[in-house]
Amino acid sequence: EAQVTQNPRYLITVTGKKLTVTCSQNMNHEYMSWYRQDPGLGLRQIYYSMNVEVTDKGDVPEGYKVSRKEKRNFPLILESPSPNQTSLYFCASSSAFRQSLNQPQHFGDGTRLSIL
Amino acid sequence: KQEVTQIPAALSVPEGENLVLNCSFTDSAIYNLQWFRQDPGKGLTSLLLIQSSQREQTSGRLNASLDKSSGRSTLYIAASQPGDSATYLCAVTGTASKLTFGTGTRLQVTL
Repeated sequence: EAQVTQNPRYLITVTGKKLTVTCSQNMNHEYMSWYRQDPGLGLRQIYYSMNVEVTDKGDVPEGYKVSRKEKRNFPLILESPSPNQTSLYFCASSSAFRQSLNQPQHFGDGTRLSIL
Repeated sequence: KQEVTQIPAALSVPEGENLVLNCSFTDSAIYNLQWFRQDPGKGLTSLLLIQSSQREQTSGRLNASLDKSSGRSTLYIAASQPGDSATYLCAVTGTASKLTFGTGTRLQVTL
């Protein structure tokens, strides 16, 4: 089954304790992206990756890091989490850039992070 | 900067009614527009994707239209059912495959 898998689904942690949210897709997609969803603000893009070893900032990259060492994985790293990063996070993937313009992006089920 | 607005923010209708959700965007330079459904505790499910050169797309009881020049899209749901209750999100694709989302319309279909 084609899917985007995020882990963990839920996490409560404390300020300053480094954490990583993993994202894996089994569709051989080149494009992957991270979004955060906040009430009243909708989904906003954090980082995206066009392919292995190619990443770029989205609209709200501050406080986050990503890496793309393998095609299937795109982890989101919070080096020193703060309470304003409490949010619902989604990972998404789609096929190659030109194709993806007319194909829907596939989303994971989300990761709810609470930073105390 | 692209901005996407969805009206209304919430809607409650009795089962069986036809309904229309609205989406508007400020920059008409888009590659496509997508409508998603989001259920509580779940991710986003793509419902319909309209390419920039198209005017509408249909899937079952759903019909989405796109007027790119005026920056508007509508999602029409026919004969609504309680199972249609969810949040509906509109998103446009710009450069670098970036999706810009609206804040959604929360739909409740009552018995």
